[in-house]
Amino acid sequence: EAQVTQNPRYLITVTGKKLTVTCSQNMNHEYMSWYRQDPGLGLRQIYYSMNVEVTDKGDVPEGYKVSRKEKRNFPLILESPSPNQTSLYFCASSPPTPYEQYFGPGTRLTVT
Amino acid sequence: SQQGEEDPQALSIQEGENATMNCSYKTSINNLQWYRQNSGRGLVHLILIRSNEREKHSGRLRVTLDTSKKSSSLLITASRAADTASYFCATSSGGSYIPTFGRGTSLIVHP
Repeated sequence: EAQVTQNPRYLITVTGKKLTVTCSQNMNHEYMSWYRQDPGLGLRQIYYSMNVEVTDKGDVPEGYKVSRKEKRNFPLILESPSPNQTSLYFCASSPPTPYEQYFGPGTRLTVT
Repeated sequence: SQQGEEDPQALSIQEGENATMNCSYKTSINNLQWYRQNSGRGLVHLILIRSNEREKHSGRLRVTLDTSKKSSSLLITASRAADTASYFCATSSGGSYIPTFGRGTSLIVHP
């Protein structure tokens, strides 16, 4: 089954404790993205990757890191999480055309 | 980056009625997509319309695009309670093929 998986689905952590949210897709897609979703703000793009070893900042990259060492994986790293990073996070992938994005199930992160 | 703006923010209708939501954007686009999100879940792609297209259909969905007005509309006909969800438009423009999402329209369909 074609899918995007994210882990963990739920995470509660404390300020400053490094964490990684994994994302994996089995569709051989070139493009992958991370979004955060907050009430009233919609989806905002954090980082995206156009292919292996190619990443670029989205609209809200501060406080986040990503890597793309393999085509299928695109982990999101929070080196020192803060409470304002409490949010619902989505990973997505897409082929180069026609740009339809496939979304993971989401990771709900709470930073206390 | 450009962001589509959906209107209305919230829409409440009875089952069987049609639901129309709109998306406006500011600059020329390559294409526009509509997505649905059930509460707390990942977005699901509904339909993509390219800048040289004016109308597309998919089942009970009808999407129109007016590039002169920089706007699109999504019509859901004969709505069902299962259509209750948030609906987002997403635009791609210039050299970027990663879509940018709006804030969404929350649709509630009462049985």
